[in-house]
Amino acid sequence: DGGITQSPKYLFRKEGQNVTLSCEQNLNHDAMYWYRQDPGQGLRLIYYSQIVNDFQKGDIAEGYSVSREKKESFPLTVTSAQKNPTAFYLCASSIRGLQTQYFGPGTRLLVL
Amino acid sequence: AQTVTQSQPEMSVQEAETVTLSCTYDTSENNYYLFWYKQPPSRQMILVIRQEAYKQQNATENRFSVNFQKAAKSFSLKISDSQLGDTAMYFCAFMKSDYGGSQGNLIFGKGTKLSVKP
Repeated sequence: DGGITQSPKYLFRKEGQNVTLSCEQNLNHDAMYWYRQDPGQGLRLIYYSQIVNDFQKGDIAEGYSVSREKKESFPLTVTSAQKNPTAFYLCASSIRGLQTQYFGPGTRLLVL
Repeated sequence: AQTVTQSQPEMSVQEAETVTLSCTYDTSENNYYLFWYKQPPSRQMILVIRQEAYKQQNATENRFSVNFQKAAKSFSLKISDSQLGDTAMYFCAFMKSDYGGSQGNLIFGKGTKLSVKP
């Protein structure tokens, strides 16, 4: 089955700790995205990548980092510099040039 | 900067009835795409419908249709024959389309919570 997987489903972070959220897709999509969703809000773009080994900052990149070493994978690291990391994180992907983004099931990050 | 506004935080509809969700957007772009996404309690974001701004014809997908008014910058979603499974948050989203057709930022509204009642 083709799709986007995110793990873990729930993640707990301690103060000062870096944590990494996984996003994998087997749709052969070129572009991948990370969004953050807060209660009562729409989604906001953190980072996106149009091609392997290249990525761009979105609207709220501070305190986050990404890598794109493989086409299938786009992990997001929430660093200790992100002071308010509690949120729902959604990964998406799209075929380059077709504009429609498809989403994974999300990861809920909570701070202990 | 582009903005998307959904003025109805919550709505409810009886099963089998029709409901319309509103969305307005602000942009100086001429070429762009508009989307409606559905987020049920599972929180998975699901594409409902998409509209290209250069197309005058309104998009339809089974029971879902849009009323796209480009001059008014309005993009409403109509759900016909509402079903219990339509209960969800609905998000309107905007994406500009540059000449090369490359993708970038989806700008989301804050959502409308729709409840379908039996």
